[in-house]
Amino acid sequence: EVQLVESGGGLVQPGGSLRLSCAASGFTFSSYEMNWVRQAPGKGLEWVSYISSSGSTIYYADSVKGRFTISRDNAKNSLYLQMNSLRAEDTAVYYCAREPQRGNWFDPWGQGTLVTVSS
Amino acid sequence: SYVLTQPPSVSVAPGQTARITCGGNNIGSKSVHWYQQKPGQAPVLVVYDDSDRPSGIPERFSGSNSGNTATLTISRVEAGDEADYYCQVWDSSSDHPGVFGGGTKLTVL
Repeated sequence: EVQLVESGGGLVQPGGSLRLSCAASGFTFSSYEMNWVRQAPGKGLEWVSYISSSGSTIYYADSVKGRFTISRDNAKNSLYLQMNSLRAEDTAVYYCAREPQRGNWFDPWGQGTLVTVSS
Repeated sequence: SYVLTQPPSVSVAPGQTARITCGGNNIGSKSVHWYQQKPGQAPVLVVYDDSDRPSGIPERFSGSNSGNTATLTISRVEAGDEADYYCQVWDSSSDHPGVFGGGTKLTVL
């Protein structure tokens, strides 16, 4: 069974840092492109970042560029999101999501991890 | 950057057909994907590449895309279809290519 499990969320003060992880299982992780998508409380989905299967190509949303860093460890079947200089508006549930080998949709998604930025 | 526009809400009676639109400049030239999200749950892909269905998604869910509008159609709507629905495209010409619509709340009356 294909599975994605996020971890690392929690409460952090404005200006602080947090590192999210996404553990993948049930598929050959190194062959798939991955994304982070977030959802602020009561709001819609917002795409955050993309990383290619090798890690050589990376994209970010303007709202996080320069503050967030996406990375992956294919040997550990894991995806990461390092979040620095956190702001209140970064408060959201963060999902990791897999792209297919052909196409640019997201399937499946993890269950999400909540990040709360507050003093 | 590319913008996708969805109506905030759509209401339909059980057994009827719901149509949720997703507007974008020349969206017909892009591949559109649709997700269903129920409260407290992660999104689930229901249509990809405009009109294809993942395995396990009922045939009642279908999609189309032409001109400036893509449409998710749900036939014979059931109470369990009540959810938020999001369209999504990948804007390959951009360095921030992931784009979601604002979402549409489907209410089953």
